[in-house]
Amino acid sequence: GAGVSQSPSNKVTEKGKDVELRCDPISGHTALYWYRQSLGQGLEFLIYFQGNSAPDKSGLPSDRFSAERTGGSVSTLTIQRTQQEDSAVYLCASSFRTNTEAFFGQGTRLTVV
Amino acid sequence: QKEVEQNSGPLSVPEGAIASLNCTYSDRGSQSFFWYRQYSGKSPELIMSIYSNGDKEDGRFTAQLNKASQYVSLLIRDSQPSDSATYLCAVNPEAGNMLTFGGGTRLMVKP
Repeated sequence: GAGVSQSPSNKVTEKGKDVELRCDPISGHTALYWYRQSLGQGLEFLIYFQGNSAPDKSGLPSDRFSAERTGGSVSTLTIQRTQQEDSAVYLCASSFRTNTEAFFGQGTRLTVV
Repeated sequence: QKEVEQNSGPLSVPEGAIASLNCTYSDRGSQSFFWYRQYSGKSPELIMSIYSNGDKEDGRFTAQLNKASQYVSLLIRDSQPSDSATYLCAVNPEAGNMLTFGGGTRLMVKP
């Protein structure tokens, strides 16, 4: 596809379960970002991948959160032992390189019940 | 001090007026500047990018960059109710080069 693709669009999970969120960036984009947005709030940075460099994980809120990017393309954000406060929209964005425009996927709405 | 600052608003303007949205940033070496629009329940959409001092116009939108004063602004001419959204300023700071977002300004255009 031409844009950033995220799956699933919606995810409802029980408290304590693990979830995986997927991001498929625009082909050829080397930079990939994950953000979290709670209702009515701004973007909260989670993690940043740039090419083959070590990712910037400084935004991950706890060790229950992890992310990987395989082959410089698809990224997976994993949340272990989900808590109700993890409920939010998780947004992925990619850019051709660091200083160029970033484009967002449609997001994954995560609800922890 | 946050790296990218925006007034959260809401900024309310009448239909047909000019809406002026402002953003300041802390890293003097910042290279790239972007404006995104986010409708409620949707993901952010890129509307303008600017890389050098001065004005850049695209339709009803004008981005203005002043690196000496470390601010970037977005002007929306002939504002329409459909422009009502949250506008996010994003900056690539020199250090780390990671895109950094402001908190956004909520714009309301009243018919």
